[in-house]
Amino acid sequence: ELKVEQNPLFLSMQEGKNYTIYCNYSTTSDRLYWYRQDPGKSLESLFVLLSNGAVKQEGRLMASLDTKARLSTLHITAAVHDLSATYFCAVDLNSNSGYALNFGKGTSLLVTP
Amino acid sequence: GAVVSQHPSRVICKSGTSVKIECRSLDFQATTMFWYRQFPKQSLMLMATSNEGSKATYEQGVEKDKFLINHASLTLSTLTVASAHPEDSSFYICSARRRDQPQHFGDGTRLSIL
Repeated sequence: ELKVEQNPLFLSMQEGKNYTIYCNYSTTSDRLYWYRQDPGKSLESLFVLLSNGAVKQEGRLMASLDTKARLSTLHITAAVHDLSATYFCAVDLNSNSGYALNFGKGTSLLVTP
Repeated sequence: GAVVSQHPSRVICKSGTSVKIECRSLDFQATTMFWYRQFPKQSLMLMATSNEGSKATYEQGVEKDKFLINHASLTLSTLTVASAHPEDSSFYICSARRRDQPQHFGDGTRLSIL
């Protein structure tokens, strides 16, 4: 059974600070995804990581993937209030589910002044 | 980019009512559609996988007689919650994908059963 573990689950950080969210998964997988969810909303795709060593950056967010360690990170640089949201990592579940996604529990991020 | 439309966005109804939620891929043909459920402060849990023209595959613990899925075409899947009860209140999110492309998510449906 594929397990996806995120940590921390809750993160309160000051504006301007840096922090990293970690996502570990238990079996090999083709792809890893990062999503953002605002309260009451659906998922917004942030990054799709397709191969070992992949690094992608968008604004203050940077995601990386190490398939050998089964680890992905989402790094936040100089946080701003607008980044407050819940962040999910997800892994393709290649099984009878036909490539459904297995989600981590999410990291609830609050950026304070 | 690819767009998935989910309707309705919000449903409030009495216990015992059946509720239908539609999920449409607007600009691509989806080989597979997925239905997820999200309870407050929790993650998304896969309910079922739906392929056009075939029966849906349900995850363990999801009652197929209660959550009826119809995938009639490559652009439309529906989820019907039969005789909904308060414990079925949740945020339901569909997604669609074409072959091995990434999934695209609908905006979700918030279901509240009184």
